[in-house]
Amino acid sequence: DIQMTQSPSVLSASVGDRVTLNCKASQNINKYLNWYQQKLGEAPKLLIYNTNNLQTGIPSRFSGSGSGTDYTLTISSLQPEDVATYFCFQHNSWPLTFGSGTKLEIK
Amino acid sequence: EVQLVETGGGLVQPGRSLKLSCVASGFTFSSYWMYWIRQAPGKGLEWVSSINTDGGRTYYLDSVKGRFTISRDNAENIVYLQMNSLRSEDTATYYCAKGIPDYWGQGVMVTVSS
Repeated sequence: DIQMTQSPSVLSASVGDRVTLNCKASQNINKYLNWYQQKLGEAPKLLIYNTNNLQTGIPSRFSGSGSGTDYTLTISSLQPEDVATYFCFQHNSWPLTFGSGTKLEIK
Repeated sequence: EVQLVETGGGLVQPGRSLKLSCVASGFTFSSYWMYWIRQAPGKGLEWVSSINTDGGRTYYLDSVKGRFTISRDNAENIVYLQMNSLRSEDTATYYCAKGIPDYWGQGVMVTVSS
């Protein structure tokens, strides 16, 4: 099974900051990496699919990059509504696996 | 507008069965893979099962293999998850999702407890 390791587990930043969340796979996942945002009490929402494709309706301050085993979600200018937990997800091979999440807080 | 509405959750004793349903609307259901993903209280997300467009291919998390069965009815736009021999560790909110997966339902709670 492919293990997905997210870092940091908690990130505290100020409004307007550029924020970077990391996700490392235990083996090459060929860019089949999605990022989800989950706010408290809500279902997850797809932000980025296949490493760097912005889902329809998602603000352009969100972007993704990476290849091989290392992937990154960047928020260019943190907004108060971005407070959430962010999960990466690999759909390169079965079983599909999620990272354990990064909880993003506002300082 | 894409809608996924899960039903069938509840409190069930260990060893018993439960069948979840997810009714889809707002997209061409028969063209998309469908997923069940769960989240234990206060925990992260865990993929459970997937089914291809015609139902001919199914995939399962090892810990549910042989106990859970995913199926779909493309005429009625419904995906199911039949859960047998339930364990306490199956307690979670169960989400259905479509596509890559892109859209998710709001989830249904399953509690396995005596």
